[in-house]
Amino acid sequence: GAVVSQHPSRVICKSGTSVKIECRSLDFQATTMFWYRQFPKQSLMLMATSNEGSKATYEQGVEKDKFLINHASLTLSTLTVTSAHPEDSSFYICSASLNNRVNQPQHFGDGTRLSIL
Amino acid sequence: SQQGEEDPQALSIQEGENATMNCSYKTSINNLQWYRQNSGRGLVHLILIRSNEREKHSGRLRVTLDTSKKSSSLLITASRAADTASYFCATGFSGGYQKVTFGTGTKLQVIP
Repeated sequence: GAVVSQHPSRVICKSGTSVKIECRSLDFQATTMFWYRQFPKQSLMLMATSNEGSKATYEQGVEKDKFLINHASLTLSTLTVTSAHPEDSSFYICSASLNNRVNQPQHFGDGTRLSIL
Repeated sequence: SQQGEEDPQALSIQEGENATMNCSYKTSINNLQWYRQNSGRGLVHLILIRSNEREKHSGRLRVTLDTSKKSSSLLITASRAADTASYFCATGFSGGYQKVTFGTGTKLQVIP
């Protein structure tokens, strides 16, 4: 149980392209989903918290107009990297919690490796 | 910053040996979680220990938490080659939703 699917797993595209990444909770309803970014050999940095039916909460330093997050249903959140540039190349990972209660683990997707040429 | 610091950054052991990783953090927490990440993959939740717990077991995993020292340890007993991965601690807080802050990670290599 608690499976999270992230798609696509890898994207290679030209500078200026917008890229959409999907995160789906397959067997549970996720009120809250999280989006992380991970640089090589580094830890995960939280970008934003996505709550179903409301606007995402972005961490300090993350441009909300650059990284558009939509959480339209209890099983799907999307991250769109708009007008991507080479510095946006990174490993993006989503996660979801079963509910908003404290002491709930997060369940992660397998990540999306984004390479901007 | 609340980010945890794992120690050591890298650890190499022989199969069958025990592996111990430590995590230190800076401020009060509600819980502490340990995750494993295989290369190029997402994270897998291993174990969650609440702030009022001192020790927890799950299979070959043993986690301790010392809130007075703001530290936690993860012990993997009788390690296997398949345990080779990066291990992260994550500190959790109350307040609306389950947000955690990840530590820097320990890269474990288990040599067959």
